[in-house]
Amino acid sequence: KAGVTQTPRYLIKTRGQQVTLSCSPISGHRSVSWYQQTPGQGLQFLFEYFSETQRNKGNFPGRFSGRQFSNSRSEMNVSTLELGDSALYLCASSPVGSGGTGELFFGEGSRLTVL
Amino acid sequence: AQSVTQLGSHVSVSEGALVLLRCNYSSSVPPYLFWYVQYPNQGLQLLLKYTTGATLVKGINGFEAEFKKSETSFHLTKPSAHMSDAAEYFCAVSDRTGANNLFFGTGTRLTVIP
Repeated sequence: KAGVTQTPRYLIKTRGQQVTLSCSPISGHRSVSWYQQTPGQGLQFLFEYFSETQRNKGNFPGRFSGRQFSNSRSEMNVSTLELGDSALYLCASSPVGSGGTGELFFGEGSRLTVL
Repeated sequence: AQSVTQLGSHVSVSEGALVLLRCNYSSSVPPYLFWYVQYPNQGLQLLLKYTTGATLVKGINGFEAEFKKSETSFHLTKPSAHMSDAAEYFCAVSDRTGANNLFFGTGTRLTVIP
């Protein structure tokens, strides 16, 4: 069974630009969560989507958004990039029913560098 | 509010020695508790989890953890360290209402000395 696939793996952007990251969950998984990992702040929850609906949201500004498609694939978008957005963005899928289980299967991440 | 504190950002053990990684949590509701491991340039992998029931939880690769409500702790142990255990370990907490919204600790990097 294929794991969680994230694209692109690495990207470089400049301040003010926007970026879209993609995540394909494990087949059959309907929940997709996004996390930001930085050396200073560690791992922080961005949002979770389940059946194309945002189910939970972390404490990030509105520049961070996401969506989920009918095939459970998900994208996240960051607009008006700032230097502090440089991070590893991790996507995780979950074989979840209602409410979730916390058992997350992570992809290898998309490493974003903002110059 | 939920949070996790991991004591010790770096832990070194000799190969074959006991591994003990400490985690204390704070939660206003019954917690779900997790340990994840991250190898270099990879995503995180679930080692074990506690939701309800038996407080001693066994995970993959010989790791186990015990939920102690009175101490608000969920320490991770392994009787005998192996070189392949070298990685970063994260403790995390969530709850029934947002189980996939995990609050992670800052991580503990485990080094295994041959």
